[in-house]
Amino acid sequence: KAGVTQTPRYLIKTRGQQVTLSCSPISGHRSVSWYQQTPGQGLQFLFEYFSETQRNKGNFPGRFSGRQFSNSRSEMNVSTLELGDSALYLCASSYRAGADGELFFGEGSRLTVL
Amino acid sequence: DQQVKQNSPSLSVQEGRISILNCDYTNSMFDYFLWYKKYPAEGPTFLISISSIKDKNEDGRFTVFLNKSAKHLSLHIVPSQPGDSAVYFCAASASGFNKFYFGSGTKLNVKP
Repeated sequence: KAGVTQTPRYLIKTRGQQVTLSCSPISGHRSVSWYQQTPGQGLQFLFEYFSETQRNKGNFPGRFSGRQFSNSRSEMNVSTLELGDSALYLCASSYRAGADGELFFGEGSRLTVL
Repeated sequence: DQQVKQNSPSLSVQEGRISILNCDYTNSMFDYFLWYKKYPAEGPTFLISISSIKDKNEDGRFTVFLNKSAKHLSLHIVPSQPGDSAVYFCAASASGFNKFYFGSGTKLNVKP
């Protein structure tokens, strides 16, 4: 069974640009969550999608957005990039919505903003 | 607000000895806790979980202890192996919550 796939794995952008990250969940999983990992901050919850609907959103500015498609694949977008957006962005999928069960993480997309 | 805290950013242990990683939480409604392990350039992988109806859960070399009155949980690894060197995150949630709250992680180094 294929795991969670995130693309791209690494990318470099400059301030002011925008970026789109993609996540393909484990087959059969309908919930996709996004987390930001920065040194010392752990994993900060961005948002969760279940059946194409955003169920929950973390405390991030509106520059961070996402969506989920009918095949459960998800994308997150960050507009007007800032230096502080440099981080590892992790996608996690699960069969059930919310925090009801284990999360399966992808390897992450490492974003560097110059 | 950091509702889940891992106050030790790093821990160094000799191979064969016990590793104890600690995690504190502030929200008394949390009733489900997980530990994840993360190697560099990889995503976190699930290690072990515990629900609040238990105070201990064991899986091989890994045991998680939950002290609800102290709002504290710990992960014991016995015996520690060099392959256990990784960052360990604890996470917490509750029935009806829509997300997990993660700690900032503890980097474990097991020396041969």
